[in-house]
Amino acid sequence: NAGVTQTPKFQVLKTGQSMTLQCAQDMNHNSMYWYRQDPGMGLRLIYYSASEGTTDKGEVPNGYNVSRLNKREFSLRLESAAPSQTSVYFCASSDVLKVRGQPQHFGDGTRLSIL
Amino acid sequence: DQQVKQNSPSLSVQEGRISILNCDYTNSMFDYFLWYKKYPAEGPTFLISISSIKDKNEDGRFTVFLNKSAKHLSLHIVPSQPGDSAVYFCAAFGGGADGLTFGKGTHLIIQP
Repeated sequence: NAGVTQTPKFQVLKTGQSMTLQCAQDMNHNSMYWYRQDPGMGLRLIYYSASEGTTDKGEVPNGYNVSRLNKREFSLRLESAAPSQTSVYFCASSDVLKVRGQPQHFGDGTRLSIL
Repeated sequence: DQQVKQNSPSLSVQEGRISILNCDYTNSMFDYFLWYKKYPAEGPTFLISISSIKDKNEDGRFTVFLNKSAKHLSLHIVPSQPGDSAVYFCAAFGGGADGLTFGKGTHLIIQP
């Protein structure tokens, strides 16, 4: 049972480089999310996709773009990486966005360092 | 402006005793609360949730209590076991946001 799979697990980038973080879920969920977690902080929502074909900004979208490639896959792109984007990135999915209290299922994260 | 606050960064409890993790919130529009557990190098895993129309929800060793008037919730783990050592995140749903709003987490350490 893979659940939510994120690749890569670790990455080091230089300032200004671009990078795409991949996420795939095998639970047939409609909604997918990208969060970032900084040291000593909770997770903060970057972007989400309520359903295939739609994407919306979350709390901290600046410097990122997303693509909902199909129902299974949701990618996060950094066009020009900055040191402030050093973080652990988590992808999550849930069955339906608006169902109250629907738990989200998380991947194991991508640890991204930008020098 | 943190809307979900976990004021204890860490908590140490003896094995077999009760662990109580606390969470406060400021946004009265939150209508669902969830607790997640996170081990190092893994993603958060869902533990238990509670609707704002209830004051208690129980699942095995885990019970969540909600005091809506005080905007406070707590997670009780009884009895505490070594495998419970992890970071626990309180999260809230609603309040105008479409994702979850997380607290900073509490690191629970179960002492043998």
